[in-house]
Amino acid sequence: DIQLTQSPSSLSASVGDRVTITCRASQGLSSYLAWYQQKPGKAPRLLIYTASTLQSGVSSRFSGSESGTDFTLTISSLQPEDFATYYCQQLNTYPWTFGHGTKVEI
Amino acid sequence: EVQLLESGGGLVQPGGSLRLSCVASGFTFTNYAMNWVRQAPGEGLEWVSIITTSGGETVYADSVRGRFTISRDNSKNTLYLQMNSLRGEDTAVYFCAAVNGCSGAHCPGVQKWGQGTLVTVSS
Repeated sequence: DIQLTQSPSSLSASVGDRVTITCRASQGLSSYLAWYQQKPGKAPRLLIYTASTLQSGVSSRFSGSESGTDFTLTISSLQPEDFATYYCQQLNTYPWTFGHGTKVEI
Repeated sequence: EVQLLESGGGLVQPGGSLRLSCVASGFTFTNYAMNWVRQAPGEGLEWVSIITTSGGETVYADSVRGRFTISRDNSKNTLYLQMNSLRGEDTAVYFCAAVNGCSGAHCPGVQKWGQGTLVTVSS
């Protein structure tokens, strides 16, 4: 199975900060990596797909990039509604797998 | 409005069975491969299973293969998950989720999610 190592597991940040979350895959994904935001008691929400494509309706302060097997989610200027847990997911090879999540706290 | 509405969760004893359902509305169900994803209390997300648009292909996580069966009824816009031989580690919120734009196992991202139904396996 493809392992996704997500870091950090948690971070503290302030409104207006630039935040970067990394997801490292154990093998190549051909860009089939997605990022999700999840708030407590809610379903995940798709933010980024195929590594760098912004999902319709998602704020442009979210962006994704890739370099080999390293993937990055960046929030350019953290807003109050962005405090949540973020997950990466590979959709290249079954079984699809998720990273362990990054909790973004105030 | 796009909706995925899960039902069928509840408390079940170890070794028991449960059938989850997910009714889709507001989008063309037959254009989407359908998944189940689960989340144990306080834990991360775990992909469970997928079924193709026609229902002709299914794939399972190792942790549930041989115990769970995914199916769909396109005439009813409904996805199912039959769960047998349940274990304590199956305790989780189960999310129904839809994805399209796939090429075989390669998919862009899971675009639509239900709110989940809680399954608790305990004696």
